[in-house]
Amino acid sequence: NAGVTQTPKFQVLKTGQSMTLQCAQDMNHNSMYWYRQDPGMGLRLIYYSASEGTTDKGEVPNGYNVSRLNKREFSLRLESAAPSQTSVYFCASSEKPSGDRAFFGQGTRLTVV
Amino acid sequence: AQSVTQLDSQVPVFEEAPVELRCNYSSSVSVYLFWYVQYPNQGLQLLLKYLSGSTLVKGINGFEAEFNKSQTSFHLRKPSVHISDTAEYFCAVTTGANNLFFGTGTRLTVIP
Repeated sequence: NAGVTQTPKFQVLKTGQSMTLQCAQDMNHNSMYWYRQDPGMGLRLIYYSASEGTTDKGEVPNGYNVSRLNKREFSLRLESAAPSQTSVYFCASSEKPSGDRAFFGQGTRLTVV
Repeated sequence: AQSVTQLDSQVPVFEEAPVELRCNYSSSVSVYLFWYVQYPNQGLQLLLKYLSGSTLVKGINGFEAEFNKSQTSFHLRKPSVHISDTAEYFCAVTTGANNLFFGTGTRLTVIP
């Protein structure tokens, strides 16, 4: 049982380049999330999706777009990468948002130079 | 809005000693509370959660936490730590409305 799978694990981008971070879960969860983790700031919610076809902004959505392609997959896109987007990105999923545990992927370490 | 404060960014403790990691939250509505652990280069794993009922919650690896509504706290404790407990610990809160807010984390270092 793979749980939550993120690709790639590492990426280096030049300022202005674009890329998509992929996330897939095999637990039939309805809710999916994208977080970024920065030193001293914990995890901050970028976007979430309560169900297939719906997405909503979190705390720090600027510079990102998301797509809930189907129930399994939730991708995060950086259209024009900036050094401030250097971070570790985590995808998570849960069966329902109300008091349910979230399962996390292994993370994507992104560096923008 | 909800928020979570973890008062200690780093906690060093000797092996087999007890430890308490502090977490305070603020919210105008009822919340659910969680503690997650992150080992180096890994994602987060759930340690324990409080939804309702008994205020003392037991989790994996011998950890427990107590919900104190009057002090808006959810401190994590372990009576005797092991080297393998060295990790970063995150407190999180949600009202159940598709939000899950994390604290800034506490790095626990167990000293042999």
